[in-house]
Amino acid sequence: DAGVIQSPRHEVTEMGQEVTLRCKPISGHNSLFWYRQTMMRGLELLIYFNNNVPIDDSGMPEDRFSAKMPNASFSTLKIQPSEPRDSAVYFCASSPPGEETQYFGPGTRLLVL
Amino acid sequence: SQQGEEDPQALSIQEGENATMNCSYKTSINNLQWYRQNSGRGLVHLILIRSNEREKHSGRLRVTLDTSKKSSSLLITASRAADTASYFCATPQAYGNKLVFGAGTILRVKS
Repeated sequence: DAGVIQSPRHEVTEMGQEVTLRCKPISGHNSLFWYRQTMMRGLELLIYFNNNVPIDDSGMPEDRFSAKMPNASFSTLKIQPSEPRDSAVYFCASSPPGEETQYFGPGTRLLVL
Repeated sequence: SQQGEEDPQALSIQEGENATMNCSYKTSINNLQWYRQNSGRGLVHLILIRSNEREKHSGRLRVTLDTSKKSSSLLITASRAADTASYFCATPQAYGNKLVFGAGTILRVKS
């Protein structure tokens, strides 16, 4: 059974470029979470969706970040324009209905030069 | 701000020894979770303990919860080199199924 799938696994880009991170949650899960992990700030929740609807985006750093979930099997996190301080590992996680446990993907390691 | 704070920040032990990590949190909770993260990988759920439980076991893991002190501990018995990882506690926010993670404890088990 496939877990949460994220792509790309690594991304290197230059400042000012648009970056799109992708996530496929586990089939049947109805909650999806985007996190960012850095040494300085630890693991931060950026946004989470329930039944494809954004519930809490208070963790999104600024207008340069946007997230969508057009259907139950796909979500994107976009950064436009990217900045060096966006360099981090971005994780996607999902949860099944009625369960508090989150299942994490392998992450996307982003480096903005 | 982070809800859970782990202690110690880092722990180095010999294989076969027990490892204990602590987590303190600030507000009332209905459950507390522990996750493990191996280097370069995503987090993996280890165990969930509910507020009406005081202790829970899973294999070599033992978790305790003291709601009066707002603290939890994770004990790994008979540690192995493969237990080398970062360990995080996570607590839910007051609404929804949003989790807040602590800063984590880095465990190194030397063989």
